[in-house]
Parts: sequence; structure tokens; C-alpha cells
Amino acid sequence: EAQVTQNPRYLITVTGKKLTVTCSQNMNHEYMSWYRQDPGLGLRQIYYSMNVEVTDKGDVPEGYKVSRKEKRNFPLILESPSPNQTSLYFCASVSWGGRTEAFFGQGTRLTVV
Amino acid sequence: AQKVTQAQTEISVVEKEDVTLDCVYETRDTTYYLFWYKQPPSGELVFLIRRNSFDEQNEISGRYSWNFQKSTSSFNFTITASQVVDSAVYFCALSEAGTGNQFYFGTGTSLTVIP
Repeated sequence: EAQVTQNPRYLITVTGKKLTVTCSQNMNHEYMSWYRQDPGLGLRQIYYSMNVEVTDKGDVPEGYKVSRKEKRNFPLILESPSPNQTSLYFCASVSWGGRTEAFFGQGTRLTVV
Repeated sequence: AQKVTQAQTEISVVEKEDVTLDCVYETRDTTYYLFWYKQPPSGELVFLIRRNSFDEQNEISGRYSWNFQKSTSSFNFTITASQVVDSAVYFCALSEAGTGNQFYFGTGTSLTVIP
């Protein structure tokens, strides 16, 4: 079954404490990306990766890091989280071509206090 | 400029009414894809439909139908005989061949179906 697995689903943390949200896909997709969802703003892209070791900034990259050491994994790293990073985060794995589609993880609800 | 505009922020309808969610997009690519996703209160994103730019045929799936019109750059979504379970946030999205696999999302329309 095609799957994008994100962990954790919920996380409450304190300002400045480094955290990582993991994302893994089993579809051998080259393209993966991270979005944050905020009320009234829809989904905004944070970072994306076209392939292993190839990453680039999206629309709202400040305060985030990513890495793509393996095709299946694309973790999102917050080195020093701040309250304005409280949001709902989604990882996506994208197939391109005639069956273009974005497969999303279940979402991670992050609260930074 | 916003590539995908969903002008309706919130809509409320009474159960069994029909409702149309509007989506207007902007692109210069000739090859692109349009999508609708549903986000129920539980928060996950559920894929509803994909349309490519070369296929303007309207599509019907049960109570759902989609009207794709390139002339007006619109991809509207109609729910017929709405039900309480249709209450959710609905997102329209665009993916352009020219920008790789990046997806552009609208800001979403929150639909509430009142029993």
C-alpha cells in the first residue's frame, strides 16, 4: 500500500529545544516536500527535495532544515523552535507524469510554548 | 500573485442542499494538473480528483462533480445533496510541468453542512 508515514502526530515542545519530524515514503518517489498549514493561509511549502542530496527552499524556509540522505526519508529539523512555528505540518511524496499526485502524511500538529 | 484562489473562506449549507466550491488558478504553462483535496476535522488530507490540462471533460463521482473550464481558468467542485459528513476544509491545488513537481495550494474553503 502506498504510504507516507510521518512521526510524531502530535508534539508539544519548549522554545529552543531542537526537534525532528520524520517522514518516510514507500513509493520510490524522487520528489518530496514539507508544508505547513496555518489558518487562512492554506498550505505553504517549506522545503522540497528533487532527489537524494538535492534540496531547495520553498516559500517559508526560515527556521527549518531538511536532509535527504536516502530516497525514502525526508526529515524536517527545527534547530531552535519558536512559538511562531506552532502549526500543522505535512510531508508529501509526489509522483509526476500521467499519474501526477501528491501523497500526504497524516500530519504533525506541533505546539511550541 | 496567488496561483490558486479560493475566494470562499467559509460556506454553510443545510443538509441536502447542493453547494459549489470555486477555484480559480493562474498559470502560463500549457501542461499542468489541478487537484481537489478534502481535509476532514481529523486533519488528514484526502485526495479527491486530479485533472490534467488537456482534459476538459467534466467528471462526476457519486454526489461529487467537477467543472474544469480553461477559458475562465476555473476548476469548480459541486457537492449534490450535501451530507453532514461532507463538512470539511476543501483545498484546490495546481501543479505545473514548468516548475517541476511543486504544488500550489489555495487557502481552502471550510464547508459546514448543517443537519
